[in-house]
Parts: sequence; C-alpha cells; structure tokens
Amino acid sequence: NAGVTQTPKFQVLKTGQSMTLQCAQDMNHEYMSWYRQDPGMGLRLIHYSVGAGITDQGEVPNGYNVSRSTTEDFPLRLLSAAPSQTSVYFCASSYTTGNTEAFFGQGTRLTVV
Amino acid sequence: GEDVEQSLFLSVREGDSSVINCTYTDSSSTYLYWYKQEPGAGLQLLTYIFSNMDMKQDQRLTVLLNKKDKHLSLRIADTQTGDSAIYFCAEYGAGSYQLTFGKGTKLSVIP
Repeated sequence: NAGVTQTPKFQVLKTGQSMTLQCAQDMNHEYMSWYRQDPGMGLRLIHYSVGAGITDQGEVPNGYNVSRSTTEDFPLRLLSAAPSQTSVYFCASSYTTGNTEAFFGQGTRLTVV
Repeated sequence: GEDVEQSLFLSVREGDSSVINCTYTDSSSTYLYWYKQEPGAGLQLLTYIFSNMDMKQDQRLTVLLNKKDKHLSLRIADTQTGDSAIYFCAEYGAGSYQLTFGKGTKLSVIP
C-alpha cells in the first residue's frame, strides 16, 4: 500500500517553462488536494477535487491548473512557471472531508530560476 | 474568514513537557487537528479532536480544546529528541472542503 505518491521529488525550471507535478493515491479516496508550503506561510490550498471529474479552486489557484480524470490521479500543471512559484508542493488525499485523516505525499521541491 | 495562529518556535529540554498553542477564528469548526512534519517529509496526522470534546489523551499526547476562547493546545509529555519537528494546527470549518493550517510551530528538543 503506497499511500500518496508524488513525482518528481525535486525539479528546477526556467521562468516560462511548463510542467506537471504528478500525484497518485491507491486508497480509493474521493477527496484530493494540492497545497504549497512556503517559509513562514504554513500550507495554502491551491486546488482540490471531491471526486473524479470535479475540481475547484482553493486559496491560491492562479498559475495552476488541475484535472481529475480518475479517482487515483490528480496532476497539478504549471502553465508558465514564475519565480514566485518556487515552493514545496504537497498533494493530499482523504476518504472525505471532516472527521477523516488527510494523507500527504512526501512533497515536490520546485525551484523556478 | 478562517484564520489559525500559532507561535513559530518552541525550545524544550529532553524529558520536559512541551506545550504548543493554537488559536482559531472559525467558531463553526467541527474538527481540529495536529499534524507533524519531520525535516524533508510530508505531514503526518498526530491526533484530532471533535469540537464537542474538551480533552483527548493518546499516550504522551494531550489535546486541550477551549471552545469559548477558540484555543487549542498540544501537550507532549517526556519530550524526546525524535519529537523535534514542525507541528501544525489545522481546522475544517462546518461545510468546508478546505483544511486551514496554521503557519506551524518548530519544536526543538535540547538533549
């Protein structure tokens, strides 16, 4: 049982490049989300999904796209990377929201130069 | 709006108790959580408390909730060097899909 798997673990991008951060879970969780973690800022929600085919914006969605074509996968796309997107990105999944544990991936450390 | 506040740093000696405090603003919060993040790792759920409880104990961990003051605390008894990490307080508001995190408290344990 792998839990939540994120790839890659590290990435360096040039300004203007695009890339996709992958997230997969094998727990049949309905709810998946992407957070970014910045020093002194805690974790901020980028996008979330309450099930396959359903996504919505979180607190800081600008510059990011998501899709949820399957229950297992929830990729995060950076359309045109900017230095302000340098951060550590975490994907999380849970059975539902509320009284349920959210399981986190190990994170992707992204640097945009 | 929802806001969760924590102090950023705490330093304790090995064997002492640690108390990490958190305040939140959403009075409709149903569940409040403590997550632990070790260096270079993701977040791991330590414990959670439902809003109709005022205390929960789990081995070395004690969570206290003062709903009137919107204050949550995490006490770690007999703190060990392995407890050194960042601890996040988080809440789900009623009907909210968003888990709102505090900025995290970095706990340093001095041997």
